[in-house]
Amino acid sequence: AQRVTQPEKLLSVFKGAPVELKCNYSYSGSPELFWYVQYSRQRLQLLLRHISRESIKGFTADLNKGETSFHLKKPFAQEEDSAMYYCALSARAGGTSYGKLTFGQGTILTVHP
Amino acid sequence: DTGVSQDPRHKITKRGQNVTFRCDPISEHNRLYWYRQTLGQGPEFLTYFQNEAQLEKSRLLSDRFSAERPKGSFSTLEIQRTEQGDSAMYLCASSLGGRKLYSNQPQHFGDGTRLSIL
Repeated sequence: AQRVTQPEKLLSVFKGAPVELKCNYSYSGSPELFWYVQYSRQRLQLLLRHISRESIKGFTADLNKGETSFHLKKPFAQEEDSAMYYCALSARAGGTSYGKLTFGQGTILTVHP
Repeated sequence: DTGVSQDPRHKITKRGQNVTFRCDPISEHNRLYWYRQTLGQGPEFLTYFQNEAQLEKSRLLSDRFSAERPKGSFSTLEIQRTEQGDSAMYLCASSLGGRKLYSNQPQHFGDGTRLSIL
């Protein structure tokens, strides 16, 4: 079984400060990890995925298989980054993609001016 | 393309009544997922379809829940004899997927249907 843990329900930072949202997972196989974001009154949307190795809106996340972590980082937070962030895992076996996502409980990020 | 569409946005019903929700995925997406989200929690997987086939059901999906995707396009989720504990946000998502795809294509979510049981 797979599990995703986001230890912080709430995270507050000031504008321009670095931010790190923590995500740890447990899964014995080869996972795919995602970060989803939900801005106020908007639908859940994909922020980034580990296989893309992209930086989206200044955010990056590196999959650390040794520590089973996928922390989301941004060097300089902006007020518009305030939102709910969910870490999610999708399990794979062999070459078949399973598809279903297992979500963490989410972290509410508030960036103060 | 307006993305994933869910109807209704809100549903208020009395305990014991049946309710049905509809999800229209992004047109070219062959996979469709249902999730449930309660207050303070992340979405929890309920079931998913690839085309019209229901490939997996969560243990969360009791016998009172049934989902269909008859023509591989829109899907319905029905809850019979609703209970207080069914109050939640029901989310639908869609994606491309299949055996030949070696990575999961991103899931696109709808706005959800909020169910309140009186």
